[in-house]
Amino acid sequence: DTQMTQSPSSLSASVGDRVTITCRASQAIRNDLVWYQQKPGKAPQRLIYRASTLESGVPSRFSGSGYGTEFTFTISSLQPEDFATYYCLQHNNFPFIFGQGTKLEIK
Amino acid sequence: QVQLVQSGTEVRRPGASVKVSCKASGFIFSYYALHWVRQAPGQRLEWLGWINVANDNPKYSHKFQDRVTIKWDTSANTTHMELSSLRSEDTALYYCARGYPGIASMDSWGQGTLVTVS
Repeated sequence: DTQMTQSPSSLSASVGDRVTITCRASQAIRNDLVWYQQKPGKAPQRLIYRASTLESGVPSRFSGSGYGTEFTFTISSLQPEDFATYYCLQHNNFPFIFGQGTKLEIK
Repeated sequence: QVQLVQSGTEVRRPGASVKVSCKASGFIFSYYALHWVRQAPGQRLEWLGWINVANDNPKYSHKFQDRVTIKWDTSANTTHMELSSLRSEDTALYYCARGYPGIASMDSWGQGTLVTVS
């Protein structure tokens, strides 16, 4: 299995801050990685696919980068509605594996 | 629009089985696969498997392969996920989600079904 190590597990930040989350794959997965946002009581919402492509309708303050084993997800200027939990997912091989999640909290 | 509407909350005893349903609408089913993902309290999301609607071929995570069955009911446009030999660790929110067949991610999700094993 391709293990996904996501960090940090939690992050405290203020509105307007820039934040970065990292996912590391235990083996190369090309750019077969997506980022999801999950709010309490809701299903995950895909924000970025193919590591760096923004889903239609998602604000441009969200971005992703990376290839192979190292990936980053950045919010350039935090907005109040961005406080949520974020997950990466590798879909290069089976079983699909999620990162452990990053809970983004208001400082 | 794409809709995945799941069945309601379930409570089961350890050792029992549970079947969760997910009714699809708003897209051409044969172009897609339907996945099942679960989230236990305080845990990461966990992929159980999917079914390729075009050929009715399921694929399971090896972790669940001996306990999970995923099917597609063409007459009802519904996918079903059955999990057997339940234990307390199976208490979780179970989601269905849509994706393209093969190594493609999920773009639309159901609302989730809570399964409690107690």
